[in-house]
Amino acid sequence: EPEVTQTPSHQVTQMGQEVILRCVPISNHLYFYWYRQILGQKVEFLVSFYNNEISEKSEIFDDQFSVERPDGSNFTLKIRSTKLEDSAMYFCASRGGGFISGNTIYFGEGSWLTVV
Amino acid sequence: RKEVEQDPGPFNVPEGATVAFNCTYSNSASQSFFWYRQDCRKEPKLLMSVYSSGNEDGRFTAQLNRASQYISLLIRDSKLSDSATYLCAVNTGNQFYFGTGTSLTVIP
Repeated sequence: EPEVTQTPSHQVTQMGQEVILRCVPISNHLYFYWYRQILGQKVEFLVSFYNNEISEKSEIFDDQFSVERPDGSNFTLKIRSTKLEDSAMYFCASRGGGFISGNTIYFGEGSWLTVV
Repeated sequence: RKEVEQDPGPFNVPEGATVAFNCTYSNSASQSFFWYRQDCRKEPKLLMSVYSSGNEDGRFTAQLNRASQYISLLIRDSKLSDSATYLCAVNTGNQFYFGTGTSLTVIP
């Protein structure tokens, strides 16, 4: 079964450092998402990406965040200058966008970011 | 107003019990609805889509009430392995909104 893959599974970084989280969405999916989940809290939307551009972003997705799809397969989330409160599980997700089965969103296993 | 509201629980039920979760959503234009299961420190995994006609998958039954804007999940004959957090999700346009999740613990 096709799946969304994410790397790294866990990263520890010092406050102020830049972090890049990588995702390979399911092949032939058209819509890509980043969500985050602080331990014990809900899954929060960060950003959605379609047709090589951001289609929506939340209030959380401020200027320190950016996304890229550099090569047609990877989808990355960059956090420029990490803060302690960025510590969370970051989930990448994708969906096909087709009429019949395209409205289901599939998650990767997540990247656990710890900022110290 | 939150897009999706869900009772966080926790629900602690004995094995074999029937348990029901509900979720309400605020946008009447929402078009697709889902239940996801999330184990501790894992990603949400699709449990089932929810249709107006209701749908069943083994011990799990999902229902959508568009008039009242809520979705429900019924788990019959609960097993220890059903212990997890259950998230409802609502698709509006290109966006997916998740509830806070309802924690279920099935007790032997």
